[in-house]
Amino acid sequence: QQKVQQSPESLIVPEGGMASLNCTSSDRNVDYFWWYRQHSGKSPKMLMSIFSNGEKEEGRFTVHLNKASLHTSLHIRDSQPSDSALYLCAASLSGSFNKLTFGAGTRLAVCP
Amino acid sequence: EAAVTQSPRNKVAVTGGKVTLSCNQTNNHNNMYWYRQDTGHGLRLIHYSYGAGSTEKGDIPDGYKASRPSQENFSLILELATPSQTSVYFCASGDRGQNTLYFGAGTRLSVL
Repeated sequence: QQKVQQSPESLIVPEGGMASLNCTSSDRNVDYFWWYRQHSGKSPKMLMSIFSNGEKEEGRFTVHLNKASLHTSLHIRDSQPSDSALYLCAASLSGSFNKLTFGAGTRLAVCP
Repeated sequence: EAAVTQSPRNKVAVTGGKVTLSCNQTNNHNNMYWYRQDTGHGLRLIHYSYGAGSTEKGDIPDGYKASRPSQENFSLILELATPSQTSVYFCASGDRGQNTLYFGAGTRLSVL
């Protein structure tokens, strides 16, 4: 069973709308979370990381982390067609910083 | 930008044949990783390495071997390829101070 669960599997939002993606780890030893974005036919690229409880904002992207529930969410406001991609959540243990476990991903489609 | 180069980009192999996937990084990163990506599973870790001469098993190592002869090069070896190993394989490199993994462009492997 996947240790990092993402929901929903797919999401369609109108251009200019808000996209909300969720991710939960079932491994209580996890300490760090990342969000990667993968456009079709391309390799994953890191979008944002979050290691502490709370919220982090970078432009149109906001991530939240609740360490007690091991839940993180990614919110994209004013979504653009170029945001259409597979969004992968990843987690790692505190002693294995780069050794990431990925979820299955959420496929986002932003429609003009 | 960090550079990770994979070869070949596409490979068709026969069942029972030997396949070697190569990865080269010019980032001087200590850590290197091999993942496979299949629909519905996200990225799954096969093998990883903390430096030249070291290899470690990831989450799905069965049927795969790895070799790290130098800081720059990390190979994934399928001694007896099977159709279930048909997938897209990604190599990545990273160090703790980097806060991200840098992925290669991927190798699409088909085992017939």
